[in-house]
Amino acid sequence: GAVVSQHPSRVICKSGTSVKIECRSLDFQATTMFWYRQFPKKSLMLMATSNEGSKATYEQGVEKDKFLINHASLTLSTLTVTSAHPEDSSFYICSATLDVYEQYFGPGTRLTVT
Amino acid sequence: ILNVEQSPQSLHVQEGDSTNFTCSFPSSNFYALHWYRWETAKSPEALFVMTLNGDEKKKGRISATLNTKEGYSYLYIKGSQPEDSATYLCAPSGGNKLVFGAGTILRVKS
Repeated sequence: GAVVSQHPSRVICKSGTSVKIECRSLDFQATTMFWYRQFPKKSLMLMATSNEGSKATYEQGVEKDKFLINHASLTLSTLTVTSAHPEDSSFYICSATLDVYEQYFGPGTRLTVT
Repeated sequence: ILNVEQSPQSLHVQEGDSTNFTCSFPSSNFYALHWYRWETAKSPEALFVMTLNGDEKKKGRISATLNTKEGYSYLYIKGSQPEDSATYLCAPSGGNKLVFGAGTILRVKS
């Protein structure tokens, strides 16, 4: 149990376009989902906390207008990278929680902006 | 919680060797310590969640200990196997937000 999927696994887009990444909890309802970003050879950095039915809470330094997060249901959160630039190229990964102790991760999305 | 450090950064061992990694974190505002195992192209897999000072947890050949007073946790793997090859991440939390270390990359040669 506790499976989280992400789609797409890889995406290449042109500079200036927007890209949407989906995160789904497949076999449980998640009131809270998290979005992380990993820079090369660095740790996972929390970008934002997403709660169903309310606005996401962004970490310091993360532009909320650049990274739009929608958590429309208890099983789906989306991250949209708007007007993507090459510096947005990164590995994005989501997690979903059952309770305060357990976070279950998706497999991640590799974004390349050309 | 800031400044989570994991050592070593990478480790190459022979099949059958036992090994251990360290996770250091500030002891203030501590809530829980998570260990994850992350294989390439897969989702990070939760190994342990520990909350109390002195906690010890075991899962097969893998075990972990926690010292919240001095701010460190050890992960041990007994008799490493090639399938143990992965990146091992630790993440202390001060609530439901995890702060990840950069991980220890383990490669086990057969």
